[in-house]
Amino acid sequence: EDKVVQSPLSLVVHEGDTVTLNCSYEVTNFRSLLWYKQEKKAPTFLFMLTSSGIEKKSGRLSSILDKKELFSILNITATQTGDSAVYLCAPPSGGSNYKLTFGKGTLLTVNP
Amino acid sequence: DSGVTQTPKHLITATGQRVTLRCSPRSGDLSVYWYQQSLDQGLQFLIQYYNGEERAKGNILERFSAQQFPDLHSELNLSSLELGDSALYFCASSVASTGVGEQYFGPGTRLTVT
Repeated sequence: EDKVVQSPLSLVVHEGDTVTLNCSYEVTNFRSLLWYKQEKKAPTFLFMLTSSGIEKKSGRLSSILDKKELFSILNITATQTGDSAVYLCAPPSGGSNYKLTFGKGTLLTVNP
Repeated sequence: DSGVTQTPKHLITATGQRVTLRCSPRSGDLSVYWYQQSLDQGLQFLIQYYNGEERAKGNILERFSAQQFPDLHSELNLSSLELGDSALYFCASSVASTGVGEQYFGPGTRLTVT
């Protein structure tokens, strides 16, 4: 059975702190891993990772994948209150047709 | 704004009833995915359509069905509703047919079954 585990489940930090969110996975026929940010409503796409060791960056957010150890991390530097959200990781799993398997998410709260 | 639209935003109905949720994908996207999000189960994949054909199925109940029309909009039909069906239902779309690439989510429909 496919498994995606995110840690920590929740995190409270102060503005300016740096955070690291973790995602470990065991899925069938791994092809990629996606990160999403979910504030009040719809998840919004952050990154898609396909290759081990290659960091993807977008502003203060960055992410990297380790296909040997089956995990990914999402880093957020100089956090702001607007970063408060649930962060979800989702590796597609399956055969010829894949489905996203979402983790339970990490709830990040950034206090001023 | 992802470009994916969903109607209605909210729906309140009684047990045993049937409802239809509607989704229009982003311009150019041929795949539509349906997800259910509840507090205890998290975000769960239900079903995918690509260019009118069913492509992948998740843990979708037999009481639920979906279709994608020639204009690419999709509808999710939920029947014989139970209290446990109360959840946020999201539609997502993508260019890819395989479900591997990024998907863009609509704002969701919040269903409350009383």
